[in-house]
Amino acid sequence: GAGVSQSPSNKVTEKGKDVELRCDPISGHTALYWYRQSLGQGLEFLIYFQGNSAPDKSGLPSDRFSAERTGGSVSTLTIQRTQQEDSAVYLCASSSRQSKYGYTFGSGTRLTVV
Amino acid sequence: DAKTTQPTSMDCAEGRAANLPCNHSTISGNEYVYWYRQIHSQGPQYIIHGLKNNETNEMASLIITEDRKSSTLILPHATLRDTAVYYCIVRVYNNNDMRFGAGTRLTVKP
Repeated sequence: GAGVSQSPSNKVTEKGKDVELRCDPISGHTALYWYRQSLGQGLEFLIYFQGNSAPDKSGLPSDRFSAERTGGSVSTLTIQRTQQEDSAVYLCASSSRQSKYGYTFGSGTRLTVV
Repeated sequence: DAKTTQPTSMDCAEGRAANLPCNHSTISGNEYVYWYRQIHSQGPQYIIHGLKNNETNEMASLIITEDRKSSTLILPHATLRDTAVYYCIVRVYNNNDMRFGAGTRLTVKP
């Protein structure tokens, strides 16, 4: 597609439920990032995928968080047993090595845990 | 480790130039300086990038010091819509690893 697509755009879930957030990167982009942004805060790095290399998971805040990227394209971020502090906007970005603009971000998924 | 330092916040009067500084004293010879901005809760958007020469596009100008240890993003005539968080990042051109720091929250006031 023309841009990075994230779904859903908004998600309200009950505390303790599992959620899946989807990111569809720009076709051909080999790199993909997930960031989290709480209200009024900066971007918090979560995980980085680069091609077929092992992902950099150093930013995942707990073992309730996991992410995968199937076929080097679509990525899913899963949060198990959601907590209220998980409420935030989850942003995905993709890039290719040849992209002089660096990363293109999606519009994000706003997650609210009630 | 974002490798850059920026002031937390700045104000600018509408119609005046906004000058946003960034320090990147440990920048390597093959690292570019990139600037992005994030308006409200949208995803960050690319503004401009440069290696060592000053750059200008329709959005902004980028001034990089001769030693490349710092740079300044210039919005020549700031408008209220330029109120945003501005991120300065360094990146090896052919490397996808880019980490965002806290950025500078610019408020343009009427």
